Amino acid sequence: GQNIDQPTEMTATEGAIVQINCTYQTSGFNGLFWYQQHAGEAPTFLSYNVLDGLEEKGRFSSFLSRSKGYSYLLLKELQMKDSASYLCAVFDGGYNKLIFGAGTRLAVHP
Amino acid sequence: DVKVTQSSRYLVKRTGEKVFLECVQDMDHENMFWYRQDPGLGLRLIYFSYDVKMKEKGDIPEGYSVSREKKERFSLILESASTNQTSMYLCASSPRTGSQPQHFGDGTRLSIL
Repeated sequence: GQNIDQPTEMTATEGAIVQINCTYQTSGFNGLFWYQQHAGEAPTFLSYNVLDGLEEKGRFSSFLSRSKGYSYLLLKELQMKDSASYLCAVFDGGYNKLIFGAGTRLAVHP
Repeated sequence: DVKVTQSSRYLVKRTGEKVFLECVQDMDHENMFWYRQDPGLGLRLIYFSYDVKMKEKGDIPEGYSVSREKKERFSLILESASTNQTSMYLCASSPRTGSQPQHFGDGTRLSIL
């Protein structure tokens, strides 16, 4: 079966660091995407990992461990505008499609 | 910048109506996708297309059909709308290579009364 788990909600303080975890069990794996989605808006691409390790892009970093079926998105120096949902998605190349988790709603407080 | 445009942001229709949702992309992408997004369930794939006149069923195709007559346009059709099809519908496109990110439209919030 296909299963992607991430926490439903998280809260954090402005200026802090937050880590959003994602675990997956899928029949195929050809990479993992993270998207950000503000309320009422389209999801926008944040990061892509296909090899194990950490990918850093400014304040955002994403980590992947294929053997553990695990990824996380790390957000540093949190800003109020980072309040959004964060979607973890596994790309199954065999079926040429993305499998999405339910998303993690992050609330950043002053 | 990639632009994916969905024809309506909000739509209200009645049970039994035939509903058309239109999506246009301007980046010459081969792949196009239709998802629905419901609270607690995430994005679920309805149908996708990897070329003109080609279509593949996603995870929840029942009650829907699609049309791709031109490369830039992908239409989702609700043959006979039902209240359980009330949802947010998102269209996306991507280049043929699957490791490229999908680009999403702003979504259509569809209510079936």
